[in-house]
Amino acid sequence: EPEVTQTPSHQVTQMGQEVILRCVPISNHLYFYWYRQILGQKVEFLVSFYNNEISEKSEIFDDQFSVERPDGSNFTLKIRSTKLEDSAMYFCASSAGGAGTGELFFGEGSRLTVL
Amino acid sequence: SQELEQSPQSLIVQEGKNLTINCTSSKTLYGLYWYKQKYGEGLIFLMMLQKGGEEKSHEKITAKLDEKKQQSSLHITASQPSHAGIYLCGAVLTSGTYKYIFGTGTRLKVLA
Repeated sequence: EPEVTQTPSHQVTQMGQEVILRCVPISNHLYFYWYRQILGQKVEFLVSFYNNEISEKSEIFDDQFSVERPDGSNFTLKIRSTKLEDSAMYFCASSAGGAGTGELFFGEGSRLTVL
Repeated sequence: SQELEQSPQSLIVQEGKNLTINCTSSKTLYGLYWYKQKYGEGLIFLMMLQKGGEEKSHEKITAKLDEKKQQSSLHITASQPSHAGIYLCGAVLTSGTYKYIFGTGTRLKVLA
């Protein structure tokens, strides 16, 4: 069964360092998303991406964050200068249709720990 | 206030008991999704509801979207320890957008 894969599963970094989280969405999907979940809290929307551009972003997704689809398979989330409060589980998701029309398939997440 | 409120926040039930989790929005729900999350893991899709009054079932789990499309309920019949986890409702609250948000979550524990 096709699945969304994320790497790394866990990353520890120092405050101020750049981090890139990688995702391989399901191959025929067109819509891509990043979410984050701070430990014990709700799953929060960060950004949606379609047709090689950001469709929507939340207030969390500030200038420190960027997304990219560098090739036909990967979808990355970059945090330029990490802060302690960026420590969270980051989930990538993809869907064949736009939100509201079909299931979002989620990866297992990348846990980011900022020291 | 939260855009999608779930109740209860947590639930402990004895194995074999029925239970209901609610998801309420202040806005019309354009596509309502139920997911299950085990601690520290990804989200597993349970079911999607789109039409007011729609009801879907999968094994012992039934979800319904009310007529006004502002509330959904998830009902588990004869709960088992395997049902334990965090149940999340997710929805698009603005038609035509790609912002798909989640509720506050309901943590379910089933005692054997």
